[in-house]
Amino acid sequence: GQQVMQIPQYQHVQEGEDFTTYCNSSTTLSNIQWYKQRPGGHPVFLIQLVKSGEVKKQKRLTFQFGEAKKNSSLHITATQTTDVGTYFCAVTRPGTYKYIFGTGTRLKVLA
Amino acid sequence: DGGITQSPKYLFRKEGQNVTLSCEQNLNHDAMYWYRQDPGQGLRLIYYSQIVNDFQKGDIAEGYSVSREKKESFPLTVTSAQKNPTAFYLCASSMGQRHEKLFFGSGTQLSVL
Repeated sequence: GQQVMQIPQYQHVQEGEDFTTYCNSSTTLSNIQWYKQRPGGHPVFLIQLVKSGEVKKQKRLTFQFGEAKKNSSLHITATQTTDVGTYFCAVTRPGTYKYIFGTGTRLKVLA
Repeated sequence: DGGITQSPKYLFRKEGQNVTLSCEQNLNHDAMYWYRQDPGQGLRLIYYSQIVNDFQKGDIAEGYSVSREKKESFPLTVTSAQKNPTAFYLCASSMGQRHEKLFFGSGTQLSVL
């Protein structure tokens, strides 16, 4: 079945440093979504990318979809303690309504 | 307020016992999903339902059962056949159109006594 790999698994940064997580698929994707899960919480939708090469920004967060639509990245500029949590990418398995989640990247921000 | 309600927040299961996790939504969403999350890991799809009275197996359906008799409700039963049920269970819903975002409930933590 379709698999989605995320790297890194963990990332510790000093407050103010940048952070990037990557999501990679072996197959071409129709879309990709990003979610954030705070410690002890549930995933919350951040954004969806659909077009090849698409770039979207939300304040300090920048999301990119690869030209080949096989990979995506989430970049946070100047991290804050409120950015702590696990970031997941999610894709739709072709021909279905199944949402498959990546393994997640757990971010810790040291004040 | 519209949203997804999962209950209970914590649940304990004795060996050989079936337990049912509740998921109710008042978002008028057509699609509902159950995911399992193990510590430090991602979300794995157990079952999903696109419409009432229809549901499909996800990647790890063995040892679980669901029903979708009402649009608002999608309960998950963890049967005695599930030998390693300890996990955090998340219910989600979406409008049911392709590429719609998922809305999640606050989850149920299931532990084995």
